[in-house]
Amino acid sequence: AQSVAQPEDQVNVAEGNPLTVKCTYSVSGNPYLFWYVQYPNRGLQFLLKYITGDNLVKGSYGFEAEFNKSQTSFHLKKPSALVSDSALYFCAVRAPGNTPLVFGKGTRLSVIA
Amino acid sequence: DAGVTQSPTHLIKTRGQHVTLRCSPISGHKSVSWYQQVLGQGPQFIFQYYEKEERGRGNFPDRFSARQFPNYSSELNVNALLLGDSALYLCASSPLALPTDTQYFGPGTRLTVL
Repeated sequence: AQSVAQPEDQVNVAEGNPLTVKCTYSVSGNPYLFWYVQYPNRGLQFLLKYITGDNLVKGSYGFEAEFNKSQTSFHLKKPSALVSDSALYFCAVRAPGNTPLVFGKGTRLSVIA
Repeated sequence: DAGVTQSPTHLIKTRGQHVTLRCSPISGHKSVSWYQQVLGQGPQFIFQYYEKEERGRGNFPDRFSARQFPNYSSELNVNALLLGDSALYLCASSPLALPTDTQYFGPGTRLTVL
């Protein structure tokens, strides 16, 4: 069965600095990887996904993620953090076939002005 | 275009009661999935429906059931509510039921069981 690990419960970064939110996964076969963001009392908003092809995926709001097959990782990055990026971030993985989307526990990002 | 809509926004029930949650997908999307998000955790998959057929079921008891209607909207039903059923219930829609599809989430229904 597939699984996702987000090793950091909380990430703090100063506004204007680069940010990284870590994600590792375990899946049989080629993974389909997703990042979502959740603001307080809201549903999840899609940021980006990796299906195949270029390992660097660009998404919404200036976010990008790099797929690393050898390290089974899909870390989320942004070159310059904004206070408005402060939210809960979820990594999710899906295996090929009729399988569910499995989420990590989430990482709370706090961007400090 | 309207996104995924869910109703009600909030709901308070007592143990033993049943509840029905509703979801309308993005126009043109034929698949709906349901997730339970307990405080401090990531969403956990409950069901996926496509073209009114159940395509997947997560590790939830039979008290949980769902259905999809011809207009692709969906209902999630939970019987014999337990305190542990208190959570945010999220609905997501996708164009098809492919594993590569992006799932778009609604704002959720906050269920509190007393």
